[in-house]
Amino acid sequence: AQSVSQHNHHVILSEAASLELGCNYSYGGTVNLFWYVQYPGQHLQLLLKYFSGDPLVKGIKGFEAEFIKSKFSFNLRKPSVQWSDTAEYFCAVTPNGYNKLIFGAGTRLAVHP
Amino acid sequence: DTAVSQTPKYLVTQMGNDKSIKCEQNLGHDTMYWYKQDSKKFLKIMFSYNNKELIINETVPNRFSPKSPDKAHLNLHINSLELGDSAVYFCASSPGQPNEKLFFGSGTQLSVL
Repeated sequence: AQSVSQHNHHVILSEAASLELGCNYSYGGTVNLFWYVQYPGQHLQLLLKYFSGDPLVKGIKGFEAEFIKSKFSFNLRKPSVQWSDTAEYFCAVTPNGYNKLIFGAGTRLAVHP
Repeated sequence: DTAVSQTPKYLVTQMGNDKSIKCEQNLGHDTMYWYKQDSKKFLKIMFSYNNKELIINETVPNRFSPKSPDKAHLNLHINSLELGDSAVYFCASSPGQPNEKLFFGSGTQLSVL
């Protein structure tokens, strides 16, 4: 079945460590790609998005993501995490011709001081 | 000013009851959504309305009935609540199609006892 996969369900890091969260999708053709973040007790917020152009996308709070079409991937990265980055991270895809946003299962990131 | 607001924030009820969750957006967006987030944090779309018209109706039991009195409101009514309905329900809106940014409400945590 077509889907959005986030392979890391739970990631634990120390402050200043580098972060990379994987996201793969199985839809062909043109896709729009998103990363959303849900801080504890809060609603989802957009971190960054890719529609077209430069495959390296920069978002808020020092996050970036790289679209690699050949790998159907859109991994999220941050060079140095902070305790305040503790949250749930969701990759999401709008496949071409679909009028809905399809979410991955989420990755829970815990950053220890 | 809250962009997408949902009420109530918490809802605890008995099995078999009927309950409603309200959602309002003051962003002037044309499209509104309901998402369900289960205990494993998996987010799945339930419904989408565009200018008061239903455009997405996923495989949701017909005990769930969305109602959009105007394009700023999308309420969710649930009949004959079941234990499995316990989840967090998020309302969201977007200017047009979901390949644009979604703005989420803060969620309604529904607990069915």
